[in-house]
Amino acid sequence: AQSVSQHNHHVILSEAASLELGCNYSYGGTVNLFWYVQYPGQHLQLLLKYFSGDPLVKGIKGFEAEFIKSKFSFNLRKPSVQWSDTAEYFCAVILYGNNRLAFGKGNQVVVIP
Amino acid sequence: EAQVTQNPRYLITVTGKKLTVTCSQNMNHEYMSWYRQDPGLGLRQIYYSMNVEVTDKGDVPEGYKVSRKEKRNFPLILESPSPNQTSLYFCASSLKPPGQLTSYEQYFGPGTRLTVT
Repeated sequence: AQSVSQHNHHVILSEAASLELGCNYSYGGTVNLFWYVQYPGQHLQLLLKYFSGDPLVKGIKGFEAEFIKSKFSFNLRKPSVQWSDTAEYFCAVILYGNNRLAFGKGNQVVVIP
Repeated sequence: EAQVTQNPRYLITVTGKKLTVTCSQNMNHEYMSWYRQDPGLGLRQIYYSMNVEVTDKGDVPEGYKVSRKEKRNFPLILESPSPNQTSLYFCASSLKPPGQLTSYEQYFGPGTRLTVT
């Protein structure tokens, strides 16, 4: 079955540390990939997306993600986190031509001042 | 302001009492979708709609109904709610379905926290 995997569901780190969240999917074929962020008590917001072109994608708030097709991965990175990055992060994948977006289980990230 | 609105934001109800959660968008989006969010499970798609009068099941449609009579509205109906439907529900919309060559961002509503006792 097609699935989206996110590991290390709970991440705790200090301000200025680097963050990397892994996302792997099991779809065959062309995919569109997304990272969403959910700040405490808020709805989901799009951080970045990939659908074609340069596999290194830059998003808002200093986040970036790299699509590695051979590894079926779309890992999210930020070189130096801030306390305000405390949130839950979701990877989402959709097969090109499909209409159903699948989400991973999320990464709860806590940044300690 | 472009937005997706949901009502109510919070709802406590009893088993078996029919309820409707409304969702409305003001962006003339064709695609709308409902998700439920549960701890440790992430978001799971309940139903989606490609356009007016066109709806289809997502991954967890059991116990839910939807309708799309107007482009802007996509209500979620629980005919006979049960405690396992206690969850946080999000409605989302995008101009076109997200699985296109030009990827369209989904805009999410603020969520509806439902408790079924």
